[in-house]
Amino acid sequence: QKEVEQNSGPLSVPEGAIASLNCTYSDRGSQSFFWYRQYSGKSPELIMFIYSNGDKEDGRFTAQLNKASQYVSLLIRDSQPSDSATYLCAVSKSGGYNKLIFGAGTRLAVHP
Amino acid sequence: GAVVSQHPSRVICKSGTSVKIECRSLDFQATTMFWYRQFPKKSLMLMATSNEGSKATYEQGVEKDKFLINHASLTLSTLTVTSAHPEDSSFYICSAKGQGFSGELFFGEGSRLTVL
Repeated sequence: QKEVEQNSGPLSVPEGAIASLNCTYSDRGSQSFFWYRQYSGKSPELIMFIYSNGDKEDGRFTAQLNKASQYVSLLIRDSQPSDSATYLCAVSKSGGYNKLIFGAGTRLAVHP
Repeated sequence: GAVVSQHPSRVICKSGTSVKIECRSLDFQATTMFWYRQFPKKSLMLMATSNEGSKATYEQGVEKDKFLINHASLTLSTLTVTSAHPEDSSFYICSAKGQGFSGELFFGEGSRLTVL
């Protein structure tokens, strides 16, 4: 079992729709959860992080965390073509140093 | 957010040569830096964790004699790929965790290495 699992996609949504990206993790002791966006050929950029169960909203983005189910998701409202990228879920392993383990990423395509 | 600068962004070298990649935190002190490697259409694979003033901790399967990491100051970490071979061609990305931040990592721009 992979430590962090994501559906590779591509996830195709029309412009203006809600894109829903999902991620599961195996280490029950994980404490911090991050969503990064990566454009082709570029390094990842942080979108959001979440520590507590529930929802966290930032602009068009909402992160949702359910530690009991070991599940974290990212919702993107009013999707734009510029949101087309690969979205990486990252989990901070328990035990210090904030080492992040990344999922394989979900490719999102927003079409006009 | 914090700025991490990585250099060079692209490097092409001949097989057997060594290549050094630098990672600098520009506006904060990075106590811990991480080096990742990414193959095309794959996720980031953590190679090693480096802490200022101490030896790097390598992930399982990563050859520490081939990928030398030095974190000599709170703002600079270097990765040296020694005796590079074509299979070492990849996208190498550094990241830094600063003091006082909430745990998120800030990434450099990445360095694309091509070994001929």
